[in-house]
Amino acid sequence: GENVEQHPSTLSVQEGDSAVIKCTYSDSASNYFPWYKQELGKGPQLIIDIRSNVGEKKDQRIAVTLNKTAKHFSLHITETQPEDSAVYFCAASYNAGGTSYGKLTFGQGTILTVHP
Amino acid sequence: GAVVSQHPSWVICKSGTSVKIECRSLDFQATTMFWYRQFPKQSLMLMATSNEGSKATYEQGVEKDKFLINHASLTLSTLTVTSAHPEDSSFYICSAPPYRQNTEAFFGQGTRLTVV
Repeated sequence: GENVEQHPSTLSVQEGDSAVIKCTYSDSASNYFPWYKQELGKGPQLIIDIRSNVGEKKDQRIAVTLNKTAKHFSLHITETQPEDSAVYFCAASYNAGGTSYGKLTFGQGTILTVHP
Repeated sequence: GAVVSQHPSWVICKSGTSVKIECRSLDFQATTMFWYRQFPKQSLMLMATSNEGSKATYEQGVEKDKFLINHASLTLSTLTVTSAHPEDSSFYICSAPPYRQNTEAFFGQGTRLTVV
């Protein structure tokens, strides 16, 4: 089955700096890679996702890059703010269409702390 | 975005009792829902796939007689933890991809189960 490794486990930055979180996956068949933000006591919230036919995707301060050959993908957050502090998870899945988007293998998580 | 609601948000029960957790898609239909388990400071692990009108599919190592799943309608899946023990204490999260919309799966807010 799929295995997703995520680094670093903790990341501390100053407000305004950039933050980068990296993930690698093992199953070359995986074609859907979402990133989630989870605040304490809450369910994960999708912040950005990328499909394997795209190398990069950006949404305001958040971007994700995908290298299918190396089987790794990264989350980039620019101009970080204290409210970005949370746990971030990467995930991977093979999406054959429809409901398979939900069957995800998650990375271990990164605790991001943004200091004012 | 679409809304997935879990109930209850938290529950405390005595060892040996059973607890039911509901997962509802409020504004879309979901023929499939997914149940995850998350221990403190750990990642989300897929427990089972709930299929409307048929048996759930359990991941390896998950006891189907321990974690009963029922998906009786297109908007509701339930997870019942039977004969709960303290080691079952965890954060249980469901997700649901909207039927035939080929989009992300939406997560519920999670249920914190504490068995005493």
